[in-house]
Amino acid sequence: GQQLNQSPQSMFIQEGEDVSMNCTSSSIFNTWLWYKQDPGEGPVLLIALYKAGELTSNGRLTAQFGTTRKDSFLNISASIPSDVGIYFCAGPPDGRKLIFGQGTELSVKP
Amino acid sequence: DAGVTQSPTHLIKTRGQHVTLRCSPISGHKSVSWYQQVLGQGPQFIFQYYEKEERGRGNFPDRFSARQFPNYSSELNVNALLLGDSALYLCASSLDGQSYEQYFGPGTRLTVT
Repeated sequence: GQQLNQSPQSMFIQEGEDVSMNCTSSSIFNTWLWYKQDPGEGPVLLIALYKAGELTSNGRLTAQFGTTRKDSFLNISASIPSDVGIYFCAGPPDGRKLIFGQGTELSVKP
Repeated sequence: DAGVTQSPTHLIKTRGQHVTLRCSPISGHKSVSWYQQVLGQGPQFIFQYYEKEERGRGNFPDRFSARQFPNYSSELNVNALLLGDSALYLCASSLDGQSYEQYFGPGTRLTVT
């Protein structure tokens, strides 16, 4: 079946550093979503992208819809300790269900 | 405004038992989806309901069933529980059956022993 591959699987960075992660698909998506999940909680929607090439920001977070429509990128600028968590990309391959990547786990060292 | 609510928060069941999980969507949202998340993985789609009708079903056995009520709340039922059903069960609501943006509840942690 369709899969989303996220990289890196984990990151351990210093507070204040910028973070980049990406997500790739074997097929074209018309929508990309980025979520953050804290331990023991449900995923929180960060950014939704609807158009190839689209660049959207939410505070220190910026996400891009890749021009091939098979990838998406998430950047976090000037990381802070509360950025710790697991970041998931997601997309709707058909109908309205979402499939998720395996996540990128971010750790921030103060 | 209240977000998506789920109950119970945690649940421990024995193999072979049945479980019912409940979800209330964000006020004004008419679509509810259910996901299963096992440790270390992303959520996996189980069902989507819109206006009380099943709109989508993931690759889960018939032991899994769901329904949506007139007030748009939903129940997920799992029969004949297996150890492998232990997971975080997430409910997500969206505005309607056309919206891709889904908002998740805190989940129900199910442990099967």
